[in-house]
Amino acid sequence: DAGITQSPRHKVTETGTPVTLRCHQTENHRYMYWYRQDPGHGLRLIHYSYGVKDTDKGEVSDGYSVSRSKTEDFLLTLESATSSQTSVYFCAISTDREQYFGPGTRLTVT
Amino acid sequence: QKEVEQDPGPLSVPEGAIVSLNCTYSNSAFQYFMWYRQYSRKGPELLMYTYSSGNKEDGRFTAQVDKSSKYISLFIRDSQPSDSATYLCAMSKVQGGSEKLVFGKGTKLTVNP
Repeated sequence: DAGITQSPRHKVTETGTPVTLRCHQTENHRYMYWYRQDPGHGLRLIHYSYGVKDTDKGEVSDGYSVSRSKTEDFLLTLESATSSQTSVYFCAISTDREQYFGPGTRLTVT
Repeated sequence: QKEVEQDPGPLSVPEGAIVSLNCTYSNSAFQYFMWYRQYSRKGPELLMYTYSSGNKEDGRFTAQVDKSSKYISLFIRDSQPSDSATYLCAMSKVQGGSEKLVFGKGTKLTVNP
C-alpha cells in the first residue's frame, strides 16, 4: 500500500458539467500521474506532475487539466465532461522507477 | 506498430498449471520492465520489476527479459485460483526529461479449481 487514496470512488455526471477527481498521497513522493483505463486500450497516461506546480501532458491530455498546489494532492479536472471520458481513472505515484497505483475512480458521463 | 503488444487472451488454465504470459515491444529505448497484476475493480499492483536481460524469480513468479528479441515473459508456477486476474506488462522510457511507462493492454487469466 503506497498510501494513495482517490476521491470520489464512483461518480455519475451529465455531459457538459465540470468534474474534479482528487488523488492524495501520504508519503511526499515527487512524481504523480493520472491514467485512464478503457477496454481495448489499456492504461493511458493523461497528465503527470514532477513537483508542486510542475505538470506536463501525457498521450491523452485533450479535455483534461491538472493542478498540484501541494505535494500530497494531485487534481484532475474535466472542464466539460463528454461521454468519451467515461472511464476508470487511476492515480499513481513513483518511487525510483516503480509506479504504485491508487484504487481508481469509476466515472460515468451520461 | 504499437510500442508494446500483449495478447489479451483470455487465458483459462487448471489449478497447478504453469502459466506463460508474454509481451513484445518495438522501442529499443525501453530500459525497465514491469509486470502488474490487477484484480477486478481494483488498481494495478506491481508484481515484478527487472532492468536487465535474464530471469528474476520471486516465489512462484519468474520474470524473463530478452532485450535482443524485444520480448518479456512472466511465468507462474503451480497456479492458484487466487492468481485469476488481468496481468499487465509495462515498460519505462525517458521522454521529455521524465520517465514514463507504456503499458500492454493486459491478459486476463482464469485459474480453474
